[in-house]
Amino acid sequence: RKEVEQDPGPFNVPEGATVAFNCTYSNSASQSFFWYRQDCRKEPKLLMSVYSSGNEDGRFTAQLNRASQYISLLIRDSKLSDSATYLCVVKTSGTYKYIFGTGTRLKVLA
Amino acid sequence: GAGVSQSPSNKVTEKGKDVELRCDPISGHTALYWYRQSLGQGLEFLIYFQGNSAPDKSGLPSDRFSAERTGGSVSTLTIQRTQQEDSAVYLCASSPGTSLQETQYFGPGTRLLVL
Repeated sequence: RKEVEQDPGPFNVPEGATVAFNCTYSNSASQSFFWYRQDCRKEPKLLMSVYSSGNEDGRFTAQLNRASQYISLLIRDSKLSDSATYLCVVKTSGTYKYIFGTGTRLKVLA
Repeated sequence: GAGVSQSPSNKVTEKGKDVELRCDPISGHTALYWYRQSLGQGLEFLIYFQGNSAPDKSGLPSDRFSAERTGGSVSTLTIQRTQQEDSAVYLCASSPGTSLQETQYFGPGTRLLVL
């Protein structure tokens, strides 16, 4: 089983739609969680960290469910510019290794 | 301020040749990572440097791969006797290296094609 698993998609959604991605992780000692965005042929960029209480940044909401060992990303009012691959990243406290999921591809259609 | 830079941006080489990839991290960042990303795949950890500590080389796929970090700043990833399966994007990332500042900042990557 992979340490971090994501549905590869693609998720094809119309503009204005709400879309949600989940990411599961296998190491219960995982402590830090992130969502990165990667555009085609570009480097990953941090979208948001995921906090235990959940957090929101504009149209983006991230949540953590430790009991079920998954994190989620919700995008409201999707824009064409949201089209990208979203990478789930997990890190265990006290270590320096970041484990990346293979990403979920999102296409927002006009 | 300046972000992470990598050079070259693209490299085409012949099988069996050696290549060197360079990474300039963000000034002041003590942690530096190398990853490899094959087409349509996730990021594969290669090596990690933290300050003056011994690097974690556990992700290097073979002894043809090596990396150095001079003066706690610039890093070079060397691939000897390249093989076609080495073709990938090699990404470098740096971070402040503290538990409170965990964000990784990536360079634009080097696209390596081994013919």
